[in-house]
Amino acid sequence: KAGVTQTPRYLIKTRGQQVTLSCSPISGHRSVSWYQQTPGQGLQFLFEYFSETQRNKGNFPGRFSGRQFSNSRSEMNVSTLELGDSALYLCASSLGTARYGYTFGSGTRLTVV
Amino acid sequence: QKEVEQDPGPLSVPEGAIVSLNCTYSNSAFQYFMWYRQYSRKGPELLMYTYSSGNKEDGRFTAQVDKSSKYISLFIRDSQPSDSATYLCAMRLNTGNQFYFGTGTSLTVIP
Repeated sequence: KAGVTQTPRYLIKTRGQQVTLSCSPISGHRSVSWYQQTPGQGLQFLFEYFSETQRNKGNFPGRFSGRQFSNSRSEMNVSTLELGDSALYLCASSLGTARYGYTFGSGTRLTVV
Repeated sequence: QKEVEQDPGPLSVPEGAIVSLNCTYSNSAFQYFMWYRQYSRKGPELLMYTYSSGNKEDGRFTAQVDKSSKYISLFIRDSQPSDSATYLCAMRLNTGNQFYFGTGTSLTVIP
């Protein structure tokens, strides 16, 4: 059974640019959550999508957005990149409510220069 | 103050040692508690989970939750070099699908 797939694995962007990250959840999983991981802050919740609807959102500026497609694949977009956006972006999927935890992908390492 | 606090370490122990990893939290409404393990350049993988208070054992791993003290622990017995990783605690409320994570403790087990 394929796990959660995130593409690309690594990305280098320049300040002011925008970026789109992609996540394919485990087959059958309808919930996709996104987290930002940095050494100082740890994992911080960005948002969650379920059946193409944003179900929950963390405390990130509007530059961070996402969407989910009918096949449950999800994308997140960051516009007007800042140096502080450099982080590992993790996608996690679950069937519905992940009462006992998600399955994470390996992440996309974004570096903003 | 962060909702979940975790000592970042690093922690270095000899092979075969007992390892104790801990987290404290501030929100008494947390009901589900998890431990994840994260190897370098990988995403976190779920290691253990418990609901509410109590202990849970799985092989060399034991998870403990003390809700009265708002304190959770993970014990690793007979630690192995393959246990070298970052360990993250996580918890969630009874509703919603958002997890609150600690910043992780880096563990190295020396052969």
